[in-house]
Amino acid sequence: GQNIDQPTEMTATEGAIVQINCTYQTSGFNGLFWYQQHAGEAPTFLSYNVLDGLEEKGRFSSFLSRSKGYSYLLLKELQMKDSASYLCATSGTYKYIFGTGTRLKVLA
Amino acid sequence: DTEVTQTPKHLVMGMTNKKSLKCEQHMGHRAMYWYKQKAKKPPELMFVYSYEKLSINESVPSRFSPECPNSSHLFLHLHTLQPEDSALYLCASSQGATGTSYEQYFGPGTRLTVT
Repeated sequence: GQNIDQPTEMTATEGAIVQINCTYQTSGFNGLFWYQQHAGEAPTFLSYNVLDGLEEKGRFSSFLSRSKGYSYLLLKELQMKDSASYLCATSGTYKYIFGTGTRLKVLA
Repeated sequence: DTEVTQTPKHLVMGMTNKKSLKCEQHMGHRAMYWYKQKAKKPPELMFVYSYEKLSINESVPSRFSPECPNSSHLFLHLHTLQPEDSALYLCASSQGATGTSYEQYFGPGTRLTVT
């Protein structure tokens, strides 16, 4: 079957570092994506991993371990505007599967 | 142009109405998607078009009918909807078909309310 798990909610302080985890089981694997979605808005693409290791993009980094079915999104130097939902998604044999999303609240 | 546009932004319709949602992209993407999203939930895939052919229908009720007349346009025709169909309907596109490594670009969505 196909399944993706993420924590439902996380809270962190402005300026801090937060790690959002994602575990997955999927039929076929063509990569793992992270999207950011602010309330009432469309998801926007953040990162893509298909090989094991860390991909860094400014304040955001994403890590993948295919053998463990595990990924994380690391957000550094948190800003208030980072308060949003973060969706992990896998690209399988036929389609994208989105995780349940993690709602991140950044506190001043 | 890296934008997916959707119209209308908001739609209120009665259960006996017929309406259509429109999606447009001019990025040359060959895969287009319809998603339904309820509050505080992730997007749920409804339909996928690949090279203008329906490739995935996620067992969506027949009161939702998709159409892809060309590679730039996607429609979702709605008729005799139920109040539980009220949701945000998102359109997305990607460079290649599903099962590949392309990110999806999402439109802003249509907020649908069925009364």
